[in-house]
Amino acid sequence: AQSVTQLDSQVPVFEEAPVELRCNYSSSVSVYLFWYVQYPNQGLQLLLKYLSGSTLVKGINGFEAEFNKSQTSFHLRKPSVHISDTAEYFCAVSSFGNEKLTFGTGTRLTIIP
Amino acid sequence: DAGITQSPRHKVTETGTPVTLRCHQTENHRYMYWYRQDPGHGLRLIHYSYGVKDTDKGEVSDGYSVSRSKTEDFLLTLESATSSQTSVYFCAISEVPTAEQYFGPGTRLTVT
Repeated sequence: AQSVTQLDSQVPVFEEAPVELRCNYSSSVSVYLFWYVQYPNQGLQLLLKYLSGSTLVKGINGFEAEFNKSQTSFHLRKPSVHISDTAEYFCAVSSFGNEKLTFGTGTRLTIIP
Repeated sequence: DAGITQSPRHKVTETGTPVTLRCHQTENHRYMYWYRQDPGHGLRLIHYSYGVKDTDKGEVSDGYSVSRSKTEDFLLTLESATSSQTSVYFCAISEVPTAEQYFGPGTRLTVT
């Protein structure tokens, strides 16, 4: 079975400060990892994904994430946030041979002007 | 933007009535998914389809059924709606399971 834990349900950050949103996963086989963003009253869109290769993955809007197999983590980072980054962020995992994507419970990022 | 539409976008219905939500895609993707989103639970998979007439259950399938008679349409039916099914429902599509899933705009369903 696969699962995802997002350790923080809410993260307030001052504008232009760095941010890290934490994600840990569990799976007995090789994993594929994703971060999605949901802006208010919208559907989800992909920020970035890790399928294989380099463990540092760069996505849209200046976000990046690092796959750490030993710590089973896939934390999302941005060096300087903007008001427009206010949204809910979801980590998700899929496993080799599994057709389903499992989502975490989400982290609401609030940017403080 | 991926061509995914959901209808209706908003619906209020009474307990015990049947409800059908429609997801329509113009991308010809093989996989289609139905999720529900509830505060504190993130997105949970209800059912998914891996081809015409090929469907399987997700983690919260009780009380829901699906049908896919054409590649482009995936229907979610609540046979007898209950208040616990009040939620926002999202459809998603993907070419293969490990690829990006593209999400529709969502349907807000309220069961009174």
